[in-house]
Formats: sequence, C-alpha cells, structure tokens
Amino acid sequence: GAGVSQSPSNKVTEKGKDVELRCDPISGHTALYWYRQSLGQGLEFLIYFQGNSAPDKSGLPSDRFSAERTGGSVSTLTIQRTQQEDSAVYLCASSKLNAGKGAFFGQGTRLTVV
Amino acid sequence: AQSVTQLDSHVSVSEGTPVLLRCNYSSSYSPSLFWYVQHPNKGLQLLLKYTSAATLVKGINGFEAEFKKSETSFHLTKPSAHMSDAAEYFCVVSDSPDNTDKLIFGTGTRLQVFP
Repeated sequence: GAGVSQSPSNKVTEKGKDVELRCDPISGHTALYWYRQSLGQGLEFLIYFQGNSAPDKSGLPSDRFSAERTGGSVSTLTIQRTQQEDSAVYLCASSKLNAGKGAFFGQGTRLTVV
Repeated sequence: AQSVTQLDSHVSVSEGTPVLLRCNYSSSYSPSLFWYVQHPNKGLQLLLKYTSAATLVKGINGFEAEFKKSETSFHLTKPSAHMSDAAEYFCVVSDSPDNTDKLIFGTGTRLQVFP
C-alpha cells in the first residue's frame, strides 16, 4: 500500500529483553517521526529524522531507547532491557519536506512487556 | 518553544448538536496547526491543517477550525454531531522558521456523542 507501514503490529516481550520496531515511511517522505502513546494518554514525542540532518533525539526517555534510519527510508526503533513502563503503542509517521504538509501515521506497534 | 493546550479532556454532545473542541497554542514563529482524529483501535487520521493561508480551514467529515492569532487559538467545530464522530481528537502544532520542526501533540479531547 501507499501508507506508513509498521511491524510487528503487536509484540509481547519479557522484561529485560531487547525489542526492535520497524517503520516503512511513505515513499518520498523525507521526515520520519516516532511517538509513544500510553493507555489513555496523548502522544509523546520520541525522535525525529529529517533528511540527512542529525536526528532530534530530545524525546527519547532513556539511553535504553535508540533509533536509526537507513538510507533515508526505513527506520528501526530499538528498546534495550525492556521495562514494564515501556508498554505502549509506538507510532511512526512520515511527511514530506516539512511538517507543514501534515504527517501520516502508521497503525502502530502495541508493545506489551510482561 | 512551541506547545499546545487542549482545554477539555472530555466533551459530550447529543447527536445533531454543535461540537466545539478547544485548543490554544504557543509558538515562536508562524506555526502550522493541525487536528488529528483517532477512532477506537484505529490509527491517527489528519482532519485538517492550517499553514498560513486562509484562517478558516475546512477539513473532512464537516469539521472546520479557525486560526485566531490574537487569541492564539485553533478551535475545532462542527455544526451537527454524528454518532460516528465519537473519537479522540488531538490538536497539534509545528513551529520553526521553515516548518521543519517536529509535531507537538496536545493531550487530546475525547468526544462522546449521545443519541
């Protein structure tokens, strides 16, 4: 399809394990965002990639969280040594050159840490 | 730095009556403003956007919003609510000299529509 694709859609992991979440943005979109939405809460900004610029990592909650974007396209969000408080829906979005065009969101990955 | 405040966490209306979801923002430059809607167990959908063109913006499903710089507001309205409008609504701001900055979300307003 032509939308933002995230995988897996659901992930259950044991506390202390590492997880990788994947995002395929819309083709041609230079900006890519990761957000986290906890149950009943708003969206918490995590990280933002824009073209070849250094990513804005100001929203990452701890050094257990990291993300990369290879070739300006696919992005992977990695959470090391997962904790129960990491349980949330992780949303990826992409947009054209600037956010003023509006961003399009994927369906999210629901992460449950048990 | 930019921020956005959604003044109501919950709004309840009867079907057929007007909807008003309030949003105030702060920004350092000329902001872009958006409303997104999230239906239960669904993804986020862009409802409408303001990017320094007309101050009254029309979106999908009969929604519209008016940018008022003097009041730093971007309230979302609809003349007549429908049951299918029940969802979570997020006001969003993006603010930088060239609008390349990240999107900052409000905490959301849950709209309930009663028959």
